[in-house]
Amino acid sequence: GIQVEQSPPDLILQEGANSTLRCNFSDSVNNLQWFHQNPWGQLINLFYIPSGTKQNGRLSATTVATERYSLLYISSSQTTDSGVYFCAGGSQGNLIFGKGTKLSVKP
Amino acid sequence: DTGVSQDPRHKITKRGQNVTFRCDPISEHNRLYWYRQTLGQGPEFLTYFQNEAQLEKSRLLSDRFSAERPKGSFSTLEIQRTEQGDSAMYLCASSILEWGVRAQYFGPGTRLTVL
Repeated sequence: GIQVEQSPPDLILQEGANSTLRCNFSDSVNNLQWFHQNPWGQLINLFYIPSGTKQNGRLSATTVATERYSLLYISSSQTTDSGVYFCAGGSQGNLIFGKGTKLSVKP
Repeated sequence: DTGVSQDPRHKITKRGQNVTFRCDPISEHNRLYWYRQTLGQGPEFLTYFQNEAQLEKSRLLSDRFSAERPKGSFSTLEIQRTEQGDSAMYLCASSILEWGVRAQYFGPGTRLTVL
C-alpha cells in the first residue's frame, strides 16, 4: 500500500517565523489533503491539493504530483498555529495518513 | 451547514463489553468513512460506505468490529468484546463529489477507553 512520510516530525518556532512542512508519497495519489489537528483532536481541513498551488491567508500548499510530494508553508506563525499537521492521500476511497508534524509556536 | 457529528464524545468501558458509536455525516454527503487514531499516530482507515453499501474494509477491522449505514445517512460502529488494545480515538468523516473534488470532512471523534 501507499506509504506517507512527513518531515520534520517536530518543529519549534518563535512567533512570527516561517516554516515548511513536507510530505512524501511512495506512489501516485489522486486525492491529497492537509489537516491541522487541534489539542481536542478535531481534524480541520486546510487544503485539498492533489496538484498545483493554493493559498489561504498565511497558509499555502504546493503539490508536485509527478515527484510525489507536497509542501505546506506557514508564514508569520502564531501561537494558535500550534498542533499536529497531517497530510493524507489516496487513490481509492480511503486516505492514508502520515505520522504528522508536531508544531509548537512559542510567544 | 452543520459538520460531521459523533456520539458519544467519550466512552469508558470494561474489557469484554460491547460498545456502539454513532456518526451523522454532513447532509447530502454520500460517502462516510471510519478511522481509528492511537496516541502519537495518524488516523488509520477502517471502512467506508457509499450510500448504504460498504465498499471497503481494512484488515484492521477484525471480526469484533462491525459497521452499518442502513439508510445511507447516519452510521454506527460496534465493537464487541472490547479489548484494551481497542482504546483509541474513533473518527468519522464524510464526503461528496463536487466539481471533481472529493474532500473528506472529519467529526470531533469518540474517545474510547477500555479498562
